Amino acid sequence: AQSVTQLGSHVSVSEGALVLLRCNYSSSVPPYLFWYVQYPNQGLQLLLKYTTGATLVKGINGFEAEFKKSETSFHLTKPSAHMSDAAEYFCAVSGEGAQKLVFGQGTRLTINP
Amino acid sequence: DAGITQSPRHKVTETGTPVTLRCHQTENHRYMYWYRQDPGHGLRLIHYSYGVKDTDKGEVSDGYSVSRSKTEDFLLTLESATSSQTSVYFCAISHSGGYDNEQFFGPGTRLTVL
Repeated sequence: AQSVTQLGSHVSVSEGALVLLRCNYSSSVPPYLFWYVQYPNQGLQLLLKYTTGATLVKGINGFEAEFKKSETSFHLTKPSAHMSDAAEYFCAVSGEGAQKLVFGQGTRLTINP
Repeated sequence: DAGITQSPRHKVTETGTPVTLRCHQTENHRYMYWYRQDPGHGLRLIHYSYGVKDTDKGEVSDGYSVSRSKTEDFLLTLESATSSQTSVYFCAISHSGGYDNEQFFGPGTRLTVL
């Protein structure tokens, strides 16, 4: 069965600093990988996804993620954090079984002024 | 934003009472999903539907049932609510069941079972 591990339930960075949110997955088939963002009291919205092809994926709001098969990772980055990036971020994997999406535990990102 | 609404948005109920949550979409998407979100667990799939009257179980289906009599509506029922079902419930939709297909999420329902 597929699974996702997000390293760090809470990440805090200063405004303007690099954002790095870590995601490792387990899958017996070629995975499809997603990052979703949840702002306070809202549902989730898609930031970016990897299906096939280019391993560096660009998403909305300046975020990008790189699929590294050898490391079974799909880390999310943004060069310069903004206050508006404060939210909870979920990594998810798909590609096997009827589950469609298997989510990680989530990482809450705090931006310090 | 995808046209997904959930009702009610907040509900407080007592142990043992039945509860029904409604998800309504205006996108005519075939697939609909119910998740629950709990701290430290991310989102976990309860049930999903791949068409009218076609539903299947997810990872945490015990204690929940669903129904879909129309494309636009997907109901989640807790037959006899328990405190362990206190959670935030999200409905999601997708155009197809493909593994690469994006899911669109509703605003959520916060359920408290006393």
